[in-house]
Amino acid sequence: KAGVTQTPRYLIKTRGQQVTLSCSPISGHRSVSWYQQTPGQGLQFLFEYFSETQRNKGNFPGRFSGRQFSNSRSEMNVSTLELGDSALYLCATARGGGPSLNEQFFGPGTRLTVL
Amino acid sequence: AQSVTQLDSQVPVFEEAPVELRCNYSSSVSVYLFWYVQYPNQGLQLLLKYLSGSTLVKGINGFEAEFNKSQTSFHLRKPSVHISDTAEYFCAVGSGGGADGLTFGKGTHLIIQP
Repeated sequence: KAGVTQTPRYLIKTRGQQVTLSCSPISGHRSVSWYQQTPGQGLQFLFEYFSETQRNKGNFPGRFSGRQFSNSRSEMNVSTLELGDSALYLCATARGGGPSLNEQFFGPGTRLTVL
Repeated sequence: AQSVTQLDSQVPVFEEAPVELRCNYSSSVSVYLFWYVQYPNQGLQLLLKYLSGSTLVKGINGFEAEFNKSQTSFHLRKPSVHISDTAEYFCAVGSGGGADGLTFGKGTHLIIQP
């Protein structure tokens, strides 16, 4: 069974630009969550999508947005990039249904560097 | 609100020695607990999970953890470590329907010394 895939793996952008990251979940997984990982703040929850609906959002500014498609693939977008957005962005997917929604499988991440 | 505290940011251990990585959590609702491992430049790999049932859970690579509700702890243990266990370990807690995402601890860097 293929794992969670994220593209691209590495990205370099400049301040003010925008970026779109993609996540393809494990087959059968309907929940997709996004996390930001930085050395200072650790792993922080961005948002979660289930059946194309955003169910919850972490404490991030509106520049961070996402969406989910009917095939459960998800994208996240960051507009007007700032230096502090440099991070590893991790996508995690879950099968769905009760406690199993908490059992998340992570992709390899996209390393975003903002210059 | 829920939170996770990993008491040690770094744990140095000699190869073939036992190790315990500590994790305490706080939550006002039923919890589901996880340990993940992250190798350099990689994503997180699930080591083990507690969703319900037996409080002693066994995971991959010889790791195990015990859920202690009274002490709100979920410590990770391995009886004999190897050089390949060098990595960052994260404890995480989830709750309810999973829509709130997982709350992670700051991580513990396990350093195996030959």
